[in-house]
Amino acid sequence: DAKTTQPNSMESNEEEPVHLPCNHSTISGTDYIHWYRQLPSQGPEYVIHGLTSNVNNRMASLAIAEDRKSSTLILHRATLRDAAVYYCILSPPRTSGSRLTFGEGTQLTVNP
Amino acid sequence: GAVVSQHPSRVICKSGTSVKIECRSLDFQATTMFWYRQFPKQSLMLMATSNEGSKATYEQGVEKDKFLINHASLTLSTLTVTSAHPEDSSFYICSAGENTGELFFGEGSRLTVL
Repeated sequence: DAKTTQPNSMESNEEEPVHLPCNHSTISGTDYIHWYRQLPSQGPEYVIHGLTSNVNNRMASLAIAEDRKSSTLILHRATLRDAAVYYCILSPPRTSGSRLTFGEGTQLTVNP
Repeated sequence: GAVVSQHPSRVICKSGTSVKIECRSLDFQATTMFWYRQFPKQSLMLMATSNEGSKATYEQGVEKDKFLINHASLTLSTLTVTSAHPEDSSFYICSAGENTGELFFGEGSRLTVL
């Protein structure tokens, strides 16, 4: 599995935008970029995923570099409920769910 | 949206006993489910891929005789921790996905072995 590199931790203030970076220089041409987050004592929650183009959904935006060697998860207005560990994961395409290998992720702290 | 549910959410057992954890996809069929384990302050570790109607595929270093996986139907996979010991105490999480590429995770099951 191609490896991703994320900062161990980041801090943000409530109602400000948050940009969570992820480097994946060994990404293959067919790997999707997935983002999940995990709140304490809960299973991970899907945030967003993409292949080449930037993606937007109700939770976040995903900005993918042109060379696909990095991506950024954007939370437009952080809330206290966004405090979680955010995981950036690469996976080849599957038709019935992907085998995802989690790295260490980024612990996001949101200050009131 | 699709939901994956686990049961029980918490279980405490004595050393040497076996514990079964269930993972259900509530509103979709899942030919494949995944089992993870997570120790405190660590990331999720993929243990095995559960395949409906066939044997599970275990990750390197995971003992298949210790962690028995059964995927008897398109909506249910079970993980049995056999002869559990205190070092097996962990947070066990299952997941499954549809064709959208999105993976849905259960709430997790916290196992404590005394």
